[in-house]
Amino acid sequence: QKEVEQNSGPLSVPEGAIASLNCTYSDRVSQSFFWYRQYSGKSPELIMSIYSNGDKEDGRFTAQLNKASQYVSLLIRDSQPSDSATYLCAVNDGNYGQNFVFGPGTRLSVLP
Amino acid sequence: GAVVSQHPSWVICKSGTSVKIECRSLDFQATTMFWYRQFPKQSLMLMATSNEGSKATYEQGVEKDKFLINHASLTLSTLTVTSAHPEDSSFYICSAPPGTRSSYEQYFGPGTRLTVT
Repeated sequence: QKEVEQNSGPLSVPEGAIASLNCTYSDRVSQSFFWYRQYSGKSPELIMSIYSNGDKEDGRFTAQLNKASQYVSLLIRDSQPSDSATYLCAVNDGNYGQNFVFGPGTRLSVLP
Repeated sequence: GAVVSQHPSWVICKSGTSVKIECRSLDFQATTMFWYRQFPKQSLMLMATSNEGSKATYEQGVEKDKFLINHASLTLSTLTVTSAHPEDSSFYICSAPPGTRSSYEQYFGPGTRLTVT
């Protein structure tokens, strides 16, 4: 059973702080990793994708991937109340397979 | 990003009736679409993979005779919940990858909230 785990929440950070979200996965052949943001009652929205080891930055978001450790993280700098949502880590099922396995999600609350 | 739409956004039906949900890719062609179900405070669970021109692939534990999937064109997949029961009440979301070799991203529709009374 391929699994994706995320740090349990809820995670609360003050406005302006850095929020750190973590994800580990069990399938060593996975090659594609994604972070989605899901507001309550809405569908997931893609915010980051990462395929290579290292860091990938996009605005206030930085994704970090370490395939040897089977670990992917998302850092949100200068957190805003509008970042309050559930963040889902998704890993492709197999070597460049299109199926995704989702983690359980981490709920983030940014306190004004 | 690519745009995926769903219709209806919410539906209420009586137990025993059938409900059809449509998923459309608006600005790209999708040979594959995915159908997920999400119960309150839970993560997304893949139900089935919809393939244009061929039969859908169902995940273990998902009844293919109950959840009928038809991928009739490169921009449209439908999910029909047959003989719906209250336990089928959930948030149903479809997604589609644009399918370019350089990207394996999936884009989600806005979801359909089904309530069976």
